[in-house]
Amino acid sequence: GAVVSQHPSWVICKSGTSVKIECRSLDFQATTMFWYRQFPKQSLMLMATSNEGSKATYEQGVEKDKFLINHASLTLSTLTVTSAHPEDSSFYICSAERGDYGYTFGSGTRLTVV
Amino acid sequence: DAKTTQPTSMDCAEGRAANLPCNHSTISGNEYVYWYRQIHSQGPQYIIHGLKNNETNEMASLIITEDRKSSTLILPHATLRDTAVYYCIVGYSGGYQKVTFGTGTKLQVIP
Repeated sequence: GAVVSQHPSWVICKSGTSVKIECRSLDFQATTMFWYRQFPKQSLMLMATSNEGSKATYEQGVEKDKFLINHASLTLSTLTVTSAHPEDSSFYICSAERGDYGYTFGSGTRLTVV
Repeated sequence: DAKTTQPTSMDCAEGRAANLPCNHSTISGNEYVYWYRQIHSQGPQYIIHGLKNNETNEMASLIITEDRKSSTLILPHATLRDTAVYYCIVGYSGGYQKVTFGTGTKLQVIP
């Protein structure tokens, strides 16, 4: 139980284009989901908290107009990287909290902007 | 800032017990201690969590000190597949609180 599915696993896009990453809770409802970014050999850095039916809460230094988050249902949150640039290349991970399982994480999305 | 501190790296011989320490001296009374691990290029995987009592499951054991200011994750018989970065975090269960990751401990299991 407590599975979070993240899609796509990896994506390559051209500089200036936008990329959407999906995060789904498969067997539970997630009122709140979290989005992280991880650069090579670094820890996970929280980007934003996604709340179903309301605006996301962004961490300091994260551009909300660049990283658009939509949490339209209790099982789906999306992160859209707009006008992507090479410095946005990273490993993006979502998570959701569910009872005794603590925080369940998606498998991550490797974004490469060329 | 992360609420936990862990050694940067550790080595463990295959088949031996791996003991990974974590300090969380500012933990609040209702905060749980969670352990996750991240194998290269994957999302973190839940291992175990506890509040006050020691816990054991099929993956590991968690020993929490009486004052709750530190804990130890024990992998009883480490295998090469246990090579990963292990993160200790503290948080509230069911409170949808955001969690902050520290640097974790890179465990290298040696043949």
